[in-house]
Amino acid sequence: QKEVEQNSGPLSVPEGAIASLNCTYSDRVSQSFFWYRQYSGKSPELIMSIYSNGDKEDGRFTAQLNKASQYVSLLIRDSQPSDSATYLCAVTDNTDKLIFGTGTRLQVFP
Amino acid sequence: GAGVSQTPSNKVTEKGKYVELRCDPISGHTALYWYRQSLGQGPEFLIYFQGTGAADDSGLPNDRFFAVRPEGSVSTLKIQRTERGDSAVYLCASSLTGINSPLHFGNGTRLTVT
Repeated sequence: QKEVEQNSGPLSVPEGAIASLNCTYSDRVSQSFFWYRQYSGKSPELIMSIYSNGDKEDGRFTAQLNKASQYVSLLIRDSQPSDSATYLCAVTDNTDKLIFGTGTRLQVFP
Repeated sequence: GAGVSQTPSNKVTEKGKYVELRCDPISGHTALYWYRQSLGQGPEFLIYFQGTGAADDSGLPNDRFFAVRPEGSVSTLKIQRTERGDSAVYLCASSLTGINSPLHFGNGTRLTVT
């Protein structure tokens, strides 16, 4: 079983819609959770971090964490074509290294 | 300020050859990570340095892979007897203190083994 699971997509949403990206993880002791955005041919860049249960909002982005269900999600409101990218979920394991999922490709069409 | 710098950006080598990939982290960052990313996959952890020492090298696939960070700044990933399966983008990231401070990635080195 993979440690961090994401649907590879593509997830296609129209411009202005809410994009919902989901991630599950297997290690119950994970403490820190991150969302990275990766444009094609570029390196990952951090967009959100979340450490406690609940929601964390930053501009158009909201991260949601449910440790009981081992589930973390990212909502992107008012999606723009420039949001089209691969979104990587990353989770710390019990040795404090960051484990990435395979990423979900998001396509926002005008 | 300068970000994480990786050189070369591209490396083509023949099967069986030795390669070195260099990473120059952000000044003052004590933690340095190497990841490998294949097409359509997420970054795969290789090794993590805290200062000069390898805090976790559990991701290195076999003994052909080795990494050093002798002065706690620049790191070199060394691959001996390269194989075609080693072809990937090798990403380096640094962070100020460790896993709970943001990781800043370099642009990666695309390694192609022919």
